[in-house]
Amino acid sequence: AQSVTQLDSHVSVSEGTPVLLRCNYSSSYSPSLFWYVQHPNKGLQLLLKYTSAATLVKGINGFEAEFKKSETSFHLTKPSAHMSDAAEYFCVVSEPSYGQNFVFGPGTRLSVLP
Amino acid sequence: DGGITQSPKYLFRKEGQNVTLSCEQNLNHDAMYWYRQDPGQGLRLIYYSQIVNDFQKGDIAEGYSVSREKKESFPLTVTSAQKNPTAFYLCASSKAPDRLNQPQHFGDGTRLSIL
Repeated sequence: AQSVTQLDSHVSVSEGTPVLLRCNYSSSYSPSLFWYVQHPNKGLQLLLKYTSAATLVKGINGFEAEFKKSETSFHLTKPSAHMSDAAEYFCVVSEPSYGQNFVFGPGTRLSVLP
Repeated sequence: DGGITQSPKYLFRKEGQNVTLSCEQNLNHDAMYWYRQDPGQGLRLIYYSQIVNDFQKGDIAEGYSVSREKKESFPLTVTSAQKNPTAFYLCASSKAPDRLNQPQHFGDGTRLSIL
């Protein structure tokens, strides 16, 4: 069975400093992995997805994530935080199946301090 | 532009009343999903549908019902049996679920409150 762990429920950074949001997963297969962002009272927006073509994945708004199979991790990073990055971030694992196939992590709330 | 439309954005329910949340997509996606989100919590799956006229219960289906009569539409009814319906409801869709690398696309949500 799939599962996702987001190691930090809340991360606080200063504007202009790097962001690291951690995600570990378990899966019986080679899964698909996604990061989503949610701003208050909004739906989830796809930041990036891992497609097995490359271990370093670039997404929107300067975010990127590195897939490390040996560590079963898919951490999200950004070199320099912006105030507009303050939001909730979700790591998601998916296996191909005819059934419930998306498993969400509990989310990490990112605060960006001026 | 293609996307998912949820309506209304805000909804109020009286005790003992059923309410229906609308979800429409024009992405030609096969699968559709309903999630519930409570403050400070992640997403919990209520129902999902992989094809028209077929749907399955998720983790918290009690007190909810759905239908999938058209590919584009997946309405959710919150019945009076749902004792704690106040939450943010999110609808999502995705392409064929038996393939890798197909992300979900989300609507902007409906916030349901009890009067």
